[in-house]
Amino acid sequence: AQSVTQLGSHVSVSEGALVLLRCNYSSSVPPYLFWYVQYPNQGLQLLLKYTSAATLVKGINGFEAEFKKSETSFHLTKPSAHMSDAAEYFCAVSDRGSSNTGKLIFGQGTTLQVKP
Amino acid sequence: DAGVTQSPTHLIKTRGQQVTLRCSPKSGHDTVSWYQQALGQGPQFIFQYYEEEERQRGNFPDRFSGHQFPNYSSELNVNALLLGDSALYLCASSIDRGHGEQYFGPGTRLTVT
Repeated sequence: AQSVTQLGSHVSVSEGALVLLRCNYSSSVPPYLFWYVQYPNQGLQLLLKYTSAATLVKGINGFEAEFKKSETSFHLTKPSAHMSDAAEYFCAVSDRGSSNTGKLIFGQGTTLQVKP
Repeated sequence: DAGVTQSPTHLIKTRGQQVTLRCSPKSGHDTVSWYQQALGQGPQFIFQYYEEEERQRGNFPDRFSGHQFPNYSSELNVNALLLGDSALYLCASSIDRGHGEQYFGPGTRLTVT
């Protein structure tokens, strides 16, 4: 069964510092991978997704993630944190098999705090 | 272009009661998925509707049921509410059974007392 593990439930960085949010997945075949962001009292917004193209995926708001099959990882990075990046971040996987319905399996989430 | 809309925004119910939550998908989308997000947790898949039928179901009891209408909007019904049903319920819409990107609504916050 597929699963997602986000290492670190809470990450704190200073404004302007590098953001690194970790995600590891478990799947028999490389799945589709996603990063979503959730601001307080809002739904989820897609930051970026990996389907099968380039392993380095660029998303919105300056975020990017790299798919590493050997490490079963899909870590999210941003070179310079902004105060507006403070939010909850979720990594998710979806089966790419013939029975794929797009069902998303989410990690527990990582709260990003950005200090001035 | 309106995105995914959900109603109501907030809801307070008593244990044992029944509740109906509503979702209108993004224009052009024909698939609706429902997720439950407990406080401090990631969303969990409840079920997906496509062509007015439940196509896939997560690990939720039969107290959770749904419906999809010809205009692709959807309802989530929960019977015999338990305190543990308190959560944010998210609706996501997509094209063609989810092969396209899923767009999430703002959610309905359900509190069971």
